[in-house]
Amino acid sequence: EAGVAQSPRYKIIEKRQSVAFWCNPISGHATLYWYQQILGQGPKLLIQFQNNGVVDDSQLPKDRFSAERLKGVDSTLKIQPAKLEDSAVYLCASSLRQTSTDTQYFGPGTRLTVL
Amino acid sequence: RKEVEQDPGPFNVPEGATVAFNCTYSNSASQSFFWYRQDCRKEPKLLMSVYSSGNEDGRFTAQLNRASQYISLLIRDSKLSDSATYLCVVIPDSGNTPLVFGKGTRLSVIA
Repeated sequence: EAGVAQSPRYKIIEKRQSVAFWCNPISGHATLYWYQQILGQGPKLLIQFQNNGVVDDSQLPKDRFSAERLKGVDSTLKIQPAKLEDSAVYLCASSLRQTSTDTQYFGPGTRLTVL
Repeated sequence: RKEVEQDPGPFNVPEGATVAFNCTYSNSASQSFFWYRQDCRKEPKLLMSVYSSGNEDGRFTAQLNRASQYISLLIRDSKLSDSATYLCVVIPDSGNTPLVFGKGTRLSVIA
């Protein structure tokens, strides 16, 4: 079974530039998550989708971050404009159902460096 | 007090040793607990869920102490391949709330 796919794997940009990340969840998984993992920290949830609707975006810095999952399958996360503190690994995860206890499967992540 | 706290380590242990990690959580209403494993520069993967009665999976044992609000992970007969960061994960209440991850404890098993 194919896992969660993410691209690009690495991205280096200068501050104030824009960047976008893409995620394709496991086939049939209704719930998709975007996490930010800063070096030395655990992952922190940015946004959760159930199909193409947002369930939780309370920790998404909405002044610069946006995300969409238009057809309820793949998703993009955008940062515009980027700041130095956005340097992190951006992890996408998916689960079959919406329940918190459902196992989440993570993609390999996109490592973002903002200079 | 942070929602989920772990000793960051690193724990450096020889092969064959037994090692234990603890994790404390702040919300007494927390219902579900997990340990995830994250290899260097890789994604987190679910290692095991933690049940009230405790549970064992091969060399790994997880326990929950609700009164003291901590969970533990015991690894017996450590292997080189156990070297990784172990993330404590809590669902803070009984609703459908997001996972909260600890910072992780780094384990290095040395030959």
